Amino acid sequence: QQQVKQSPQSLIVQKGGISIINCAYENTAFDYFPWYQQFPGKGPALLIAIRPDVSEKKEGRFSISFNKSAKQFSLHIMDSQPGDSATYFCAALGSYNTDKLIFGTGTRLQVFP
Amino acid sequence: GAVVSQHPSRVICKSGTSVKIECRSLDFQATTMFWYRQFPKQSLMLMATSNEGSKATYEQGVEKDKFLINHASLTLSTLTVTSAHPEDSSFYICSARVVAGANVLTFGAGSRLTVL
Repeated sequence: QQQVKQSPQSLIVQKGGISIINCAYENTAFDYFPWYQQFPGKGPALLIAIRPDVSEKKEGRFSISFNKSAKQFSLHIMDSQPGDSATYFCAALGSYNTDKLIFGTGTRLQVFP
Repeated sequence: GAVVSQHPSRVICKSGTSVKIECRSLDFQATTMFWYRQFPKQSLMLMATSNEGSKATYEQGVEKDKFLINHASLTLSTLTVTSAHPEDSSFYICSARVVAGANVLTFGAGSRLTVL
């Protein structure tokens, strides 16, 4: 119940294309869903996050769509660029201060020119 | 913005020795810090939650006598890998809540441990 399932494991997109990464969760106590971007040898950096009271959030080329009833959420990267090539992790967190951030398995995105 | 600094970024040690990794919150106080471990091409796995002034809470399967965590101040948590072995080689990452009770976690840049 604490798992967050992420797909695909890897993704290859041409420059300018749309990258879509999907995640699903089971625990309905989760109420915060961030996406992290990680470059090789670096720590993850927060990209964008959403709460279940909204169905979509957009920040520049990055957006999250959230389906509360299906317990699924996805990251969309519009106009993908080679600099977006990284590993992306979805995550989920409950509302209590002691709750732990649970990460998905990660998606390695490669954007080629 | 909030910055979490880790030191060292890379460390190589001989099998049987102990290694200490520091995690500092540079411009904010962190009552809670989290230590993660990441193997190559895998996800981040939470090892333990470090609480300032009290004992750390370890996740199931993590040996607390092997991975010693000390959170003696509001800006510093340390992870000591005792009697390190090659299987302990990994990427260790800490994170901290920027604001107590808030959801946003800031991560350090990680520390690559290689045990020969």
